[in-house]
Amino acid sequence: AQSVTQLGSHVSVSEGALVLLRCNYSSSVPPYLFWYVQYPNQGLQLLLKYTSAATLVKGINGFEAEFKKSETSFHLTKPSAHMSDAAEYFCAVTRNSGNTPLVFGKGTRLSVIA
Amino acid sequence: ETGVTQSPTHLIKTRGQQVTLRCSSQSGHNTVSWYQQALGQGPQFIFQYYREEENGRGNFPPRFSGLQFPNYSSELNVNALELDDSALYLCASSSEGQGEKLFFGSGTQLSVL
Repeated sequence: AQSVTQLGSHVSVSEGALVLLRCNYSSSVPPYLFWYVQYPNQGLQLLLKYTSAATLVKGINGFEAEFKKSETSFHLTKPSAHMSDAAEYFCAVTRNSGNTPLVFGKGTRLSVIA
Repeated sequence: ETGVTQSPTHLIKTRGQQVTLRCSSQSGHNTVSWYQQALGQGPQFIFQYYREEENGRGNFPPRFSGLQFPNYSSELNVNALELDDSALYLCASSSEGQGEKLFFGSGTQLSVL
């Protein structure tokens, strides 16, 4: 079985500060890992994904994440927060084969303070 | 804009009623997945349809059922609605063998009173 744990249901940062959202995964097989963003009253938008290529993955809007197998982590970072980054962020995992469903974490709400 | 459209956007039902939610896939996608997102939670997998057949199911009771049509659009049906069914229902489409490339719709917000 696969699962992800997102540490911190709510993270608050100042505008211009580093954003760090934590995700740890559990998987008995090589995983594919994802970060999605959800703005209020909207669906999910893919930020970035790890699919067993480079361990440092760059996504949209200046976000990146690093796959660390030894730590079973896939933390999301952005060097400088912008007000528009305020949203809910979800980490998700699936197996690296075919149409297997995504297993999502409970989400982390990011607030950006001016 | 993902090309996945869901209708209606909002819906209010009474406990015990039945509801049908609809999803149009992105062009060229033959696989549709449905997720339930309760308030304050991450999305949970309900089931997936591939070429009009159910192709995987999460931990949801049989009163959650679905259909996929020849044009790959899909429906989610929920019978005997319960208060806990209140949630955002998300549809996602993907192409064959590309399950990691999911495109999500904006969802249907269902409220059960």
